[in-house]
Amino acid sequence: KAGVTQTPRYLIKTRGQQVTLSCSPISGHRSVSWYQQTPGQGLQFLFEYFSETQRNKGNFPGRFSGRQFSNSRSEMNVSTLELGDSALYLCASNPSGQGASEQFFGPGTRLTVL
Amino acid sequence: GESVGLHLPTLSVQEGDNSIINCAYSNSASDYFIWYKQESGKGPQFIIDIRSNMDKRQGQRVTVLLNKTVKHLSLQIAATQPGDSAVYFCAEANQAGTALIFGKGTTLSVSS
Repeated sequence: KAGVTQTPRYLIKTRGQQVTLSCSPISGHRSVSWYQQTPGQGLQFLFEYFSETQRNKGNFPGRFSGRQFSNSRSEMNVSTLELGDSALYLCASNPSGQGASEQFFGPGTRLTVL
Repeated sequence: GESVGLHLPTLSVQEGDNSIINCAYSNSASDYFIWYKQESGKGPQFIIDIRSNMDKRQGQRVTVLLNKTVKHLSLQIAATQPGDSAVYFCAEANQAGTALIFGKGTTLSVSS
């Protein structure tokens, strides 16, 4: 089976812009979670989607949003970018539908905000 | 609050040695723990997990130990190889069981 794929792999934006990141989970996995990874804060949970519904959300501002499509593919959007949004954004899928279980991670999208 | 931490940010070992990476967690009600390995430029990769009804679980060259009394988790890697060089994260289930809470990571460096 193909692993979790994320596009684009690298992205450079300027403050105030918005960005959309894409994630394709492993075939058959219906749960998709997003994490932000920074050197200072480590890996932090953003949100989780299951069957096109956001089930859980971490402690991030409303500028961070996401959605999931009927084929389980997911996108996350960050509006009004700030310098502090520079990070590696990781998407993970799992077959069980349980957020607190083994997650299969993609390679991430490296976002740089200038 | 919920938090997961690691005792040491870096660990250096010689090839062939056994490595032990430690992790302390704060939520005594956590019932699921997991270890991930992250190599440079890649996403985290599952190593091994353990539920709170177990004290020990073994995989291929790896063992996870859970001490619920002192809320401590450790990952033991036997016969460490250069390919084991990476950042290792422990994580626990949050209180609602809906997401993983990650520690900050330990960088393991293996010299040959």
